[in-house]
Amino acid sequence: EDQVTQSPEALRLQEGESSSLNCSYTVSGLRGLFWYRQDPGKGPEFLFTLYSAGEEKEKERLKATLTKKESFLHITAPKPEDSATYLCAVLGASYDKVIFGPGTSLSVIP
Amino acid sequence: EAGVAQSPRYKIIEKRQSVAFWCNPISGHATLYWYQQILGQGPKLLIQFQNNGVVDDSQLPKDRFSAERLKGVDSTLKIQPAKLEDSAVYLCASSPLVGNTIYFGEGSWLTVV
Repeated sequence: EDQVTQSPEALRLQEGESSSLNCSYTVSGLRGLFWYRQDPGKGPEFLFTLYSAGEEKEKERLKATLTKKESFLHITAPKPEDSATYLCAVLGASYDKVIFGPGTSLSVIP
Repeated sequence: EAGVAQSPRYKIIEKRQSVAFWCNPISGHATLYWYQQILGQGPKLLIQFQNNGVVDDSQLPKDRFSAERLKGVDSTLKIQPAKLEDSAVYLCASSPLVGNTIYFGEGSWLTVV
């Protein structure tokens, strides 16, 4: 069965302190890996889609990378407004459904 | 472009009562999803429609939950009777087709007391 885990569960950073969030997955044939940002009281907001190992995508202070077993979301020089929960999700070859991980709660302290 | 619309945003009901949530997906999106998100967890897929046909409902508690998608556009998710453990956010989402990016609505917050 397809599975997604994320680490750490929660992360506190000082403003400007770069770090990475991890998403590990087990799927039979990855068709796509998705990163979302979720603010309190809101629905998830799409960030990136990655399709194959070695692929990278960037948006402002965020960069997502993909290997055959995991994905990283790198946050460079974060600001307080980057505080949110970051969700990873995968679409495998076996089932036509997207499975979400539990998320990483990021807090950026001024 | 208008996003995914959901209503109501908030609902408080007593256990054993019923509740219904409505969703209007992004125009032209064939695939519609209902996810359940319990506080502190990631979204869990309840049911997935392709046009007005069900693609997956393996995690839908069918003894109390039902969903329909009329004419392949709007959808309604119903819970009857509600249990305390149904307290969660119910997220509706849509995508052009399966495998495309999924776009979420703001969610409907349910509290069962």
